[in-house]
Parts: sequence; C-alpha cells; structure tokens
Amino acid sequence: AQKVTQAQTEISVVEKEDVTLDCVYETRDTTYYLFWYKQPPSGELVFLIRRNSFDEQNEISGRYSWNFQKSTSSFNFTITASQVVDSAVYFCALSEGIGQFYFGTGTSLTVIP
Amino acid sequence: KAGVTQTPRYLIKTRGQQVTLSCSPISGHRSVSWYQQTPGQGLQFLFEYFSETQRNKGNFPGRFSGRQFSNSRSEMNVSTLELGDSALYLCASRQTVPSTGELFFGEGSRLTVL
Repeated sequence: AQKVTQAQTEISVVEKEDVTLDCVYETRDTTYYLFWYKQPPSGELVFLIRRNSFDEQNEISGRYSWNFQKSTSSFNFTITASQVVDSAVYFCALSEGIGQFYFGTGTSLTVIP
Repeated sequence: KAGVTQTPRYLIKTRGQQVTLSCSPISGHRSVSWYQQTPGQGLQFLFEYFSETQRNKGNFPGRFSGRQFSNSRSEMNVSTLELGDSALYLCASRQTVPSTGELFFGEGSRLTVL
C-alpha cells in the first residue's frame, strides 16, 4: 500500500490563481515527519518544508502555505497567486523517523501565463 | 556552500553493460542516500550510507550496489543493465544518522539504457 498518496497527477491553473496540492499519508507510527519538495525541469528536488507529527500548526511562507491535519492524515500545500515560476512537479514525502523517505507520485503543476 | 554534486549528468549505455554513478554530498554531511526516479514507479529508495556503512536498503535486486568513501563521497553501480534501469538516479545527503532532517538532493544522473 502506498504510504503517501498524491491523487492529483496534473494540475493547470492560470497565473494569479490559487492552487492546492493534496497529500494523504499512511503510518502507524506516532512520530513521523512530512515534507514537501519541488522538482523543476533541472531535476533537483528542492526542499520546501518539514513538519513533525506533533506540530499541527499551519505554516505560511510568502505565497506558500501548508495545512497539516492528523485527523484526516493530510498535509496539503497551497500556492496563493500562482506564478509561472511555480510550474514544477511537487512531491510530498513521509519519513517514519530515521529511515528512508517515502515519496508520493508527484503532482505536476503548470501555471499558464 | 556547494550543494550535492552528481556525475555524470547524462549517460547512455546498452543492455548488459554496467554503470557507475558518483555523488559528492554537501560538505559536512555524512549520510548519502540514492533514489531511482521513473515515470511509472516514481521515486524509489535504493540505499543509504553513513560512515562508509550501508544503513538501509530498498527493494532492488543485487545488481544495484553502492559504497561510500571516507570523505563521504558515494558511488552506486548497476551491473548487467536492463532496459528498465533507464531512470533518473538521485543522490541526497543529510548531516547525520539517525536524523530526522530533510534530504538535500543533487540534480541527478539520467541513465538511458538502449
């Protein structure tokens, strides 16, 4: 079974629209960590945010915000007023402590000018 | 601070050959992980090394192997290449193990097997 599910394979929005990328995870551990990465065409995964399971406080960083809800095992990512530079593949990942990361299949976001 | 550096960036091999990919982690990072990324399977964990020891291994056949040197640089090797090994191979580093910190990724080595 997939530990991280990103149901949205591709999303297209017009510039300046808001967009939310969904992430649902599955774990039996009480301590775990969730991450979002951005992968531009160059290939490198760029770290965006890390959240531990004990911190459900939502976070905002500029146009980016993250909504962590343990009750629904979700860690959604919203981009406000999207820009063309936001076009990339976004990955949600889960780490159950010190071991490997489990990545979702990614959501390809295209922002149309 | 230099990021994670992977070489070569692109390579083409034929079935049956072997390939070695190299990764230099961020200075001070002692853990190196390798991931395979394909359109069909997404990002899959290969292995993680720390202090020249393999700490974790994913579900890949023995044709996939790796090692880490005393300067934390790592190499991965794929022997007897198959068409299905065509992928982007990503290396990532973090400071230490155990660690709950984020991984820092290189730009990857794109392998095409013909």
